[in-house]
Amino acid sequence: AQSVTQLGSHVSVSEGALVLLRCNYSSSVPPYLFWYVQYPNQGLQLLLKYTSAATLVKGINGFEAEFKKSETSFHLTKPSAHMSDAAEYFCAVRGTGRRALTFGSGTRLQVQP
Amino acid sequence: DADVTQTPRNRITKTGKRIMLECSQTKGHDRMYWYRQDPGLGLQLIYYSFDVKDINKGEISDGYSVSRQAQAKFSLSLESAIPNQTALYFCATSKGQGDNEQFFGPGTRLTVL
Repeated sequence: AQSVTQLGSHVSVSEGALVLLRCNYSSSVPPYLFWYVQYPNQGLQLLLKYTSAATLVKGINGFEAEFKKSETSFHLTKPSAHMSDAAEYFCAVRGTGRRALTFGSGTRLQVQP
Repeated sequence: DADVTQTPRNRITKTGKRIMLECSQTKGHDRMYWYRQDPGLGLQLIYYSFDVKDINKGEISDGYSVSRQAQAKFSLSLESAIPNQTALYFCATSKGQGDNEQFFGPGTRLTVL
């Protein structure tokens, strides 16, 4: 069975600082991995995905994530935080066989002026 | 125009009432999903459907039922609502092949008094 762990339910950074949101996964097969963002009162929007091509994945809004098989990690980063990045971020792994995605518990990002 | 729509967007009901949440999509996807979001728990899968005749229980299906009326429509019912079903509910869709990237509706906020 697959699972996802997101370290830190809340992360606070200053505007202009590095954003690092952590995600570790467990999967019995080579995974597909996703990062979604949820802005207040909205649904989830895909930021980026890893599908066994390049290990460094670039997404929208300046975010990127690196797949590290040896560490079973897929951490999300952005060099310089903007106020508009304040949202909740979810890491997800594709299930084996016919299953749907398995989501982490989410990390709420606050950006301080 | 939204690709995945949910109705209603907000609903307040009383314990014991029957409630139906509806989801429609114009993406032409075969797969549809219902998730429940609670603070600190991420998204939990309630039911999923890979086509009109293929419906499967997810992690937390007790107290819920679904109907796939057509490829584009997938409804979630609470036969007798209880307060701990108060949550944000999301519908999602995906293609039948590939990485299973999911596309989310805007959500329905349900309150059971």
